[in-house]
Amino acid sequence: GESVGLHLPTLSVQEGDNSIINCAYSNSASDYFIWYKQESGKGPQFIIDIRSNMDKRQGQRVTVLLNKTVKHLSLQIAATQPGDSAVYFCAPKGGNNQGGKLIFGQGTELSVKP
Amino acid sequence: EAQVTQNPRYLITVTGKKLTVTCSQNMNHEYMSWYRQDPGLGLRQIYYSMNVEVTDKGDVPEGYKVSRKEKRNFPLILESPSPNQTSLYFCASSLSSGGSEQFFGPGTRLTVL
Repeated sequence: GESVGLHLPTLSVQEGDNSIINCAYSNSASDYFIWYKQESGKGPQFIIDIRSNMDKRQGQRVTVLLNKTVKHLSLQIAATQPGDSAVYFCAPKGGNNQGGKLIFGQGTELSVKP
Repeated sequence: EAQVTQNPRYLITVTGKKLTVTCSQNMNHEYMSWYRQDPGLGLRQIYYSMNVEVTDKGDVPEGYKVSRKEKRNFPLILESPSPNQTSLYFCASSLSSGGSEQFFGPGTRLTVL
């Protein structure tokens, strides 16, 4: 079946530094990808998305890079702040035989040190 | 305010006692979905619905039922809860299936004794 993996389960960064969270996916047919942020005790919250016809998309302090050749996504957070501490999930869209659902990885926990 | 609401937020129950977790969205979304989240396993889809009266199994449907009689509501039913259904449950909705952002509810923490 399809799978989503993350290179690191935890990431610790200093406040003000840039963070990079990586994600590998298995389905080469995935054409839509979302990054979610989940704070403790809350539901996942949309951060940014990207479609497969793009290789980079920027939001406010966040950038997502997509490398379809190696099936890899990354989320870059600039000037990381304590409020960025959370678990981050990448979610590629599954294949058509799965109703086009989003496939969630296990997440990377980002800790920001003051 | 556009949102997905779930009730109850917390529930402790006993094995075998039927329960329903409600989910409602006010965004006129067609697609709705239920997930459970367990430590080390991430978010796993239980059931999803493409539209009214259209539901289908996700990855872990055993022990659960759903219904979609109205567009805004998508209740999750546990006919005979068991301890292995102790988990954190999230309802989500989106305009369409997978090709657009899914909005998540605040979660329901269920404990089955």
